[in-house]
Amino acid sequence: AQKVTQAQTEISVVEKEDVTLDCVYETRDTTYYLFWYKQPPSGELVFLIRRNSFDEQNEISGRYSWNFQKSTSSFNFTITASQVVDSAVYFCALSEDSNYQLIWGAGTKLIIKP
Amino acid sequence: DGGITQSPKYLFRKEGQNVTLSCEQNLNHDAMYWYRQDPGQGLRLIYYSQIVNDFQKGDIAEGYSVSREKKESFPLTVTSAQKNPTAFYLCASSIRTGGYEQYFGPGTRLTVT
Repeated sequence: AQKVTQAQTEISVVEKEDVTLDCVYETRDTTYYLFWYKQPPSGELVFLIRRNSFDEQNEISGRYSWNFQKSTSSFNFTITASQVVDSAVYFCALSEDSNYQLIWGAGTKLIIKP
Repeated sequence: DGGITQSPKYLFRKEGQNVTLSCEQNLNHDAMYWYRQDPGQGLRLIYYSQIVNDFQKGDIAEGYSVSREKKESFPLTVTSAQKNPTAFYLCASSIRTGGYEQYFGPGTRLTVT
């Protein structure tokens, strides 16, 4: 069965530290898609990235980077030089070609202290 | 500006009343979704619609109903049969179902007393 695990319930770091949020997934499909979303205190979910299973290239967008490793079924998210505005709950999600639904992880609450 | 709007942001109702949450999108997306989020929890799918006049139950459809008469609109009715309706409700849309990213509205916080 498909599953997404975000083992870190809450992470707290001091501003400017680097932080990595882990995401491990399970699927039997060979074609699937992985996503990261940010949910700030306002509540609205913000789409960050989509990756398909055939593209293992790491992605960098400013201070954000994503490491996709099929060998370990992981899609980890790193924030470099964290800022207070990065404080939010971050969700990892999985979509398979055979299933119309997004499978959501439980989320990781990230607290950046000034 | 393209996006998804949900109204109202906060909604208060008495127990036993049905209430309808609005969701409108101008992104020309075929697929729309409703999620429920309880405090400190992840998202659970209530209903989704792949196309106008079609919708499917998600994981927690009991006590909820939807309609999709227009491409832009996907209202959710929380009925009196829903035992614990107090929650944060999020509407989303995507180009199609499957491996496409979903875009979310600002959400509606429903409190039933």
